[in-house]
Amino acid sequence: NAGVTQTPKFRVLKTGQSMTLLCAQDMNHEYMYWYRQDPGMGLRLIHYSVGEGTTAKGEVPDGYNVSRLKKQNFLLGLESAAPSQTSVYFCASSSSLTWSEAFFGQGTRLTVV
Amino acid sequence: DQQVKQNSPSLSVQEGRISILNCDYTNSMFDYFLWYKKYPAEGPTFLISISSIKDKNEDGRFTVFLNKSAKHLSLHIVPSQPGDSAVYFCAASEGNDMRFGAGTRLTVKP
Repeated sequence: NAGVTQTPKFRVLKTGQSMTLLCAQDMNHEYMYWYRQDPGMGLRLIHYSVGEGTTAKGEVPDGYNVSRLKKQNFLLGLESAAPSQTSVYFCASSSSLTWSEAFFGQGTRLTVV
Repeated sequence: DQQVKQNSPSLSVQEGRISILNCDYTNSMFDYFLWYKKYPAEGPTFLISISSIKDKNEDGRFTVFLNKSAKHLSLHIVPSQPGDSAVYFCAASEGNDMRFGAGTRLTVKP
C-alpha cells in the first residue's frame, strides 16, 4: 500500500524554468492538497481539490497552477520558477468524511537558483 | 498573519517524563484541531484531533486539551519515549481551510 507518492523527491531549477510535481494516491480519497513548508512558517496550503476535475486556491496560490484530471492524481505546476519558491512541497489526501486527517507524501525538496 | 502559533521551537524532556506541547490560535471560527507528527525526510502523519465541542481527547499516551476561552490547545505525551522525538505540528480548521503552526521539535532523551 503506497499511500501518497510524490515525484520527484528532489529538484534544482533555474529561475524562469517550469516544472510539474506529481502526486498520486491509491486510497480512493476525494480530497487532495498541495502544501509548502518553509522554516518558521509551518505548512501553508497552495491549492486543493475536493474531487476529480475541481480545484481551488489555498492560502498561497500565486505562481502555481494545479490540475486534477484523474481522481488519484494531483499535479502542481510552476510556470516560471522564482527563488521565493524554494521550499519543501508536500502533497496530501483525505476522505471527505475525515477530510482534515490527511495522509501526506514524503515531500519534494525544490531549490530555485 | 499566522492564525496558529507554536511559540516554542523546541522542547527537550527525559524519557518517562511528560511532554507538553502548546499551541495558540487567533481565529475563533476554527472548529476542529489536530496534531501531526513529522520525522525527518518523511511527510507529517496525523496523530490526534479534537472537536471544538470537547475539551479533552485521549488516545493511549497522547492527550489533547482544548481551552476555547483562551484559544489554546496542548498535547500531552505520557510517558515520553525516545521514539517520540520528532517535530509536532498543531493545526486548526474551519470548513475547507486548515492552518498549521510552525512546529515544535521534541527531543526525548534516554
